[in-house]
Amino acid sequence: NAGVMQNPRHLVRRRGQEARLRCSPMKGHSHVYWYRQLPEEGLKFMVYLQKENIIDESGMPKERFSAEFPKEGPSILRIQQVVRGDSAAYFCASSPIRGGYGYTFGSGTRLTVV
Amino acid sequence: AQTVTQSQPEMSVQEAETVTLSCTYDTSENNYYLFWYKQPPSRQMILVIRQEAYKQQNATENRFSVNFQKAAKSFSLKISDSQLGDTAMYFCAFMKHQDSNSGYALNFGKGTSLLVTP
Repeated sequence: NAGVMQNPRHLVRRRGQEARLRCSPMKGHSHVYWYRQLPEEGLKFMVYLQKENIIDESGMPKERFSAEFPKEGPSILRIQQVVRGDSAAYFCASSPIRGGYGYTFGSGTRLTVV
Repeated sequence: AQTVTQSQPEMSVQEAETVTLSCTYDTSENNYYLFWYKQPPSRQMILVIRQEAYKQQNATENRFSVNFQKAAKSFSLKISDSQLGDTAMYFCAFMKHQDSNSGYALNFGKGTSLLVTP
């Protein structure tokens, strides 16, 4: 079992470009969560998805950010028109059931906006 | 909202010694989960230990154990026989029970940077 796979590991974007972050959950996991880690901070919840459904996106900025988890393929976190303040590490996690037992996290994508 | 406080930004311990990392939290929930995660320089978030609030017995995982004081809302992590590979950021986290509203979101503290020295 390969674990939670995130790619790319590092992503550099110029201001105004789009960033697409991918997450493949562990085999058998249908619950996916995205978190953001700013420098010197803990992780902050962004969004919770199940296959084809967004369950809770209350942690996502209202503008420019979107997430999906299609029936086939990885979950995608998309940031349009990136700004310097979007620079952070973005982590994906998955679980076989909702919450409770702790997730398995991926290694994260470090986004740098220049 | 649940808040998690880690009052020690940095700590240092010698190899083979024991160290305790502090964590307090604030909640009005009665049933919930508490976690310690380790983040080494590789950035991977690794689950160290998990505690269910309705269980009075403190969780243990090999050299890692917790002191869970529900009334005091305290959840400290003890690392025994520290090893160089324990050097990492350690995050305390809270999650409501899965039957609760938003019982799936982890609330993290700001972390404690632990350095294990030879």
